[in-house]
Amino acid sequence: KAGVTQTPRYLIKTRGQQVTLSCSPISGHRSVSWYQQTPGQGLQFLFEYFSETQRNKGNFPGRFSGRQFSNSRSEMNVSTLELGDSALYLCASSFQGGSKTGELFFGEGSRLTVL
Amino acid sequence: GQQLNQSPQSMFIQEGEDVSMNCTSSSIFNTWLWYKQDPGEGPVLLIALYKAGELTSNGRLTAQFGITRKDSFLNISASIPSDVGIYFCAGPGSSNTGKLIFGQGTTLQVKP
Repeated sequence: KAGVTQTPRYLIKTRGQQVTLSCSPISGHRSVSWYQQTPGQGLQFLFEYFSETQRNKGNFPGRFSGRQFSNSRSEMNVSTLELGDSALYLCASSFQGGSKTGELFFGEGSRLTVL
Repeated sequence: GQQLNQSPQSMFIQEGEDVSMNCTSSSIFNTWLWYKQDPGEGPVLLIALYKAGELTSNGRLTAQFGITRKDSFLNISASIPSDVGIYFCAGPGSSNTGKLIFGQGTTLQVKP
């Protein structure tokens, strides 16, 4: 079956702009989690959506937001971009959540560069 | 908050050598996970451990869940060039959810 699909793969923005990233989970998966990966901070949890509801949130400012649609597809938005938001944003899906089975399926990521 | 300390940060080894890396936590985890990330890809789950003391193998990979539930290790035997990548340990940040806490990663390079 098709894996997790993230779009766009690469994008460049300037400070102050906003960006929307999209994630299509594996068919049948209801949980979508977002992670930020940077060289300095590593992989950090942003938030998780399950059945269109935010179930968990990491320690990121309110500029980072997300939503999930009825077909389980998810989007995340970052407003008022800062240089430090440059990162690889990874989406991961699972049937109900990663820690029960331990298995999150990650997409290839969206690499955001903020100039 | 919960943190996972992974070591070593990087390893450069010869093809055929065995590799060992470990992960420790200041708090107890009920699940330990090991992921691998290839360049340009997202992490892929290698091994999941659910019980203290559990030893699990996946091909040339072997991982153990420490008795104290505060540590885990991953061994790779007879390394090959395609083992190159970043290895992450992870534990659940919240029960039955997609929130995981990741270690800083161990970058493995294999010289043919």
